Amino acid sequence: EVQLVESGGGLVKPGGSLRLSCAASGFTFSKAWMSWVRQTPGKGLEWVGRIKSKTDGGTTDYAAPVKGRFTISRDDSKNTLYLQMNSLKTEDTAVYYCTTGAAGIWGQGTLVTVSS
Amino acid sequence: DVLMTQSPLSLPVTLGQPASISCRSSQSLVYSDGNTYLNWFQQRPGQSPRRLIYKVSNRDSGVPDRFSGSGSGTDFTLEISRVEAEDVGVYYCMQGTHWPSTFGPGTEVDFK
Repeated sequence: EVQLVESGGGLVKPGGSLRLSCAASGFTFSKAWMSWVRQTPGKGLEWVGRIKSKTDGGTTDYAAPVKGRFTISRDDSKNTLYLQMNSLKTEDTAVYYCTTGAAGIWGQGTLVTVSS
Repeated sequence: DVLMTQSPLSLPVTLGQPASISCRSSQSLVYSDGNTYLNWFQQRPGQSPRRLIYKVSNRDSGVPDRFSGSGSGTDFTLEISRVEAEDVGVYYCMQGTHWPSTFGPGTEVDFK
C-alpha cells in the first residue's frame, strides 16, 4: 500500500524552529519528486516547496513566503522527506502535508502552531 | 503566481442529480511539452485532499466514473453525473504548469 506518514508537528514560539518528517512506503521513493503543501482555514491550500529526485538533479524550489526560511531535504536510504522550518511566523500556522510529485498521494498531515 | 478561481464557491446538490464546478486560471495552463497540468481534488470532512483527476480529464485509480473533467487553456470543469452521499466535501482545482503550483479557493458541495 502506498503511504505517506508525517510527524514532527507541534506548538512553537515565533522565531523558533521545527523539523517535519514524512515516511514513505509502497513506492520507489528515490525516483519520486516530493512536495510539501500546507492548509490554513484562511488561505486554503498553499504549495510550500518541492524536491526533485536525485536522478533529476535533486534540486529544490520554494514558494515566496517561505523561501530563505524553510529547507526541504530527503534521505532516500530511509525513504524519508524532511521540512526544516526556521524563523517561524504566526502565519506559518497550518496543517502540513507531504505529497508525491503531482499530488497524487497525500499524507494525513501534521499540525504546526506558531504562537507565543 | 497563477491565480485560480472557482465557481460557485458553494454548491447545494440533490442526490442523484448532476453537479458542475468551474475553474479558471489567470494564464494558459498549456505547458511547453503540450500537456495541461490541471488537477482536481476532493477533500471530505476531516480528511486529507484526494486527487480525482489529473491532466484535465484523466481519472485516478479508484475514482468512480461519475466524475469527469474537461476544458482547455484557462477554462476547466469538473462534473459529477449523479451525486451520491459520499461526494459531500470541498473540491479544489490546482495547476501544476507554472511554479509555484497554485490551488483554487475550493467549492463546498453539500446537500440542499
